[in-house]
Amino acid sequence: GESVGLHLPTLSVQEGDNSIINCAYSNSASDYFIWYKQESGKGPQFIIDIRSNMDKRQGQRVTVLLNKTVKHLSLQIAATQPGDSAVYFCAENRNDRGSTLGRLYFGRGTQLTVWP
Amino acid sequence: GAGVSQSPRYKVAKRGQDVALRCDPISGHVSLFWYQQALGQGPEFLTYFQNEAQLDKSGLPSDRFFAERPEGSVSTLKIQRTQQEDSAVYLCASSLDNYNSPLHFGNGTRLTVT
Repeated sequence: GESVGLHLPTLSVQEGDNSIINCAYSNSASDYFIWYKQESGKGPQFIIDIRSNMDKRQGQRVTVLLNKTVKHLSLQIAATQPGDSAVYFCAENRNDRGSTLGRLYFGRGTQLTVWP
Repeated sequence: GAGVSQSPRYKVAKRGQDVALRCDPISGHVSLFWYQQALGQGPEFLTYFQNEAQLDKSGLPSDRFFAERPEGSVSTLKIQRTQQEDSAVYLCASSLDNYNSPLHFGNGTRLTVT
């Protein structure tokens, strides 16, 4: 299954399928990106990050892809499990004049629901 | 503890009351951030500390909001004369430094103003 950022905030997939969650960003000075997972009643949990000098980074069952040309970020989750059900946020660090270094700007988020 | 700790987890305040929200960051983390998260939205920046210095408070919505971190560890976010629009989850996050380090979030304080 695949989502399209802010325009499709929900994604439903079957257990075992791969999930793709997309995120668009607008600031060309952004140089550091993070994906967070937020379960109900909890704070955002770090999943994976990527710096702008990379276009792909892999973790355990997750892959982040960065396309700076079109300012697009995606999170791929392999073999999605019910425990992956949560809201996923992309966040960017805007390294431009006047921005507080380390301050993250969050997108609206995508609700991922995994059904058996 | 191993993570960022926030207290209380839930706070109900009557309109006009003052509230104080506490954050214990990860030990040794220099940077501390406060974010506000409305229902169904992503976290929005409120303020940032580097050690005890408040370097950015541009996200605080009004002068009713005040944050401090006097000894460079524990931080308190205070909201005076609470209004209904202050109802939200207040998240605290810390990081080892402020250069491209992931923020580690606490579970937040859910504030409800009645």
